[in-house]
Amino acid sequence: NFMLTQPRSVSESPGKTVTISCTGSGGSIASNYVQWYQQRPGNAPTTVIYDDYRRPSGVPDRFSGSIDSSSNSASLTISGLKTEDEADYYCQSYDSNNRGVFGGGTKLTVL
Amino acid sequence: EVQLVQSGAEVKKPGESLKISCKGSGYSFSNFWIGWVRQMPGKGLEWMGIISPGDSDTRYSPSFQGQVTISADKSITTAYLQWSSLKASDTAMYYCARVLQGNGFDYWGQGTLVTVSS
Repeated sequence: NFMLTQPRSVSESPGKTVTISCTGSGGSIASNYVQWYQQRPGNAPTTVIYDDYRRPSGVPDRFSGSIDSSSNSASLTISGLKTEDEADYYCQSYDSNNRGVFGGGTKLTVL
Repeated sequence: EVQLVQSGAEVKKPGESLKISCKGSGYSFSNFWIGWVRQMPGKGLEWMGIISPGDSDTRYSPSFQGQVTISADKSITTAYLQWSSLKASDTAMYYCARVLQGNGFDYWGQGTLVTVSS
């Protein structure tokens, strides 16, 4: 079974850069696109990265996504951290049967 | 403007049936798959399944196959998620979302809270 594993939490100071990892197991992460979703407390998720690295309109270019086939992982990097970036972040992709898979989520604290 | 508007919160008893909805607007509803995502209290997101409103082709996560039914009525641009016999463990927030060509979600509904309690 294809699974995506994320760190439970990360923290960083305002203005700094943070990277959240999403490691695939049971399959190649490069086989299907990876998405990243932001969920602030009490709100519905929103999409910050799709198709590995593309940003929806309205998402600042402080958010970037990448894939590293050698480590079978995807990364979400947020630069110039703001307090408003504090949220849960989820990676998502598909398995070999075209069924969606989410990572467990990472709580980002900006302190 | 693309919008997905979900039906309101529900409180049900175990064993009851339920159908919640997700109405799309601002785009060609038949041309984009719609997905459903579960979030149990204090937990992460779970991919339940997706439907193509154009032909009702449906794909379920193995975890949800047989537990729920996903359907759509393209004539009224609405997708549905239904249960025939609710359990307390179905208590969760349920989100619908539009599926991009690359299979990720782009637009999300506001969520429907389902509470199942005797």
